[in-house]
Amino acid sequence: ILNVEQSPQSLHVQEGDSTNFTCSFPSSNFYALHWYRWETAKSPEALFVMTLNGDEKKKGRISATLNTKEGYSYLYIKGSQPEDSATYLCALGSIQGAQKLVFGQGTRLTINP
Amino acid sequence: EAQVTQNPRYLITVTGKKLTVTCSQNMNHEYMSWYRQDPGLGLRQIYYSMNVEVTDKGDVPEGYKVSRKEKRNFPLILESPSPNQTSLYFCASSLSSGNSYEQYFGPGTRLTVT
Repeated sequence: ILNVEQSPQSLHVQEGDSTNFTCSFPSSNFYALHWYRWETAKSPEALFVMTLNGDEKKKGRISATLNTKEGYSYLYIKGSQPEDSATYLCALGSIQGAQKLVFGQGTRLTINP
Repeated sequence: EAQVTQNPRYLITVTGKKLTVTCSQNMNHEYMSWYRQDPGLGLRQIYYSMNVEVTDKGDVPEGYKVSRKEKRNFPLILESPSPNQTSLYFCASSLSSGNSYEQYFGPGTRLTVT
């Protein structure tokens, strides 16, 4: 079973501050890297799917970068707002099967007003 | 409205009593999948299906069965549930074209086996 690591496991940030967190994966198995946002009592929602080394994607104040050679992706949130509080999941689609997603344990982000 | 639905949303049952959790999507997606979420373990894939009559094991298939007789439906069957299958279950679907497999998740089913 592939290992996808996310760090930190939890993060508390003041409203208005920017933050980032990491997803690490085995670079030799890379096919696609997914980011999902999961709010409490809801279901995970897709933020980004990235497939190319050097990919950068942006959605509003949230952006992500991808380095497939070294096996990591960063998720950035600029000017955090209380509605950004959620668990952020990354998932690896591997060359053994892009449809067999392996998820990290998530980074739980809390924005303090 | 494009969506993935699951039923039931909550279920408490006893060891050994067969149950089925239904999953349906209205987006004509080829790919569907089941995950379980346990504290500290993240989402783990149970089974997935690339299309009608095509299913394969994920990382934690033991104790579960699935079927894909119609494109829109992908039920999860627990023939003899045990307490270690107490978990939060998510069904998801996606298009398989483009190879991105961006997942659309259902609302989740919280299962307790006593």
